[in-house]
Amino acid sequence: DTGVSQNPRHKITKRGQNVTFRCDPISEHNRLYWYRQTLGQGPEFLTYFQNEAQLEKSRLLSDRFSAERPKGSFSTLEIQRTEQGDSAMYLCASSKRQGRIETQYFGPGTRLLVL
Amino acid sequence: AQSVTQPDIHITVSEGASLELRCNYSYGATPYLFWYVQSPGQGLQLLLKYFSGDTLVQGIKGFEAEFKRSQSSFNLRKPSVHWSDAAEYFCAVGPMDYGGSQGNLIFGKGTKLSVKP
Repeated sequence: DTGVSQNPRHKITKRGQNVTFRCDPISEHNRLYWYRQTLGQGPEFLTYFQNEAQLEKSRLLSDRFSAERPKGSFSTLEIQRTEQGDSAMYLCASSKRQGRIETQYFGPGTRLLVL
Repeated sequence: AQSVTQPDIHITVSEGASLELRCNYSYGATPYLFWYVQSPGQGLQLLLKYFSGDTLVQGIKGFEAEFKRSQSSFNLRKPSVHWSDAAEYFCAVGPMDYGGSQGNLIFGKGTKLSVKP
C-alpha cells in the first residue's frame, strides 16, 4: 500500500475564493472519509463515501461544501466562497470493511488558511 | 450522545519514564476503539485498535492499551518514553455494527505529549 495521499498539502486563499482539495485513497479501499480538524481539537467528521455513493453528511458540511468521488476512486472536496472560519486541516481517510471490522487510514492532510 | 474524553490536554514526561494517557468514552454498546498519533503538521497514524477479545492490545512503537468495560476506558501506555514519542495522541471510537449506519470515528480532543531530556 502506498498510503493515502492528499493534495495540496497547504493552501492559502483569500476570503470569498473557491478552493478544491484532492484525496487519493489506498487502492481497493471502498470507503473514503473527510474530516476537519481545527486548532486544539480532534478531527470532526464531514462526509463519507462508499464507492462512488456519498452516504452521509455532517451538519458541519454547509451548502458551501461539496464532495465528490467519481468512479469510486479519488475524491475532491470543494469549498465555495471561503470564510475565515474555514481555516483548518482537512483530513482524508480510507478504509476497507472486512466483516464488521473497519480500520481507517489517514492521509497527511491539507492545511487551509483563509485570509 | 456518543463522546470521547481525554482529560489531559498536555502531559510532560522525562525520557525513559513510563507513560499513561487516559481515554474515556460514552457509547451505547461496546465500540471499536482506536489510538492515533499525530506529529506537528502531519496526518494521523494508527497506533493500535481494539475490536474484541483480549482487552490488552499491543500496537506499534512499543505502545499498548487496555480496554476496561466497567470504567468505559481505553488508556494508552508505554513503559519507557523516547524523545521521538513527543506528539499529539488521539483516542477515537467507531460503531460496532455498520449495518446501514455510518462508520465515522468520533475523536477526543487529544493529549499533547512533551518529552524532557
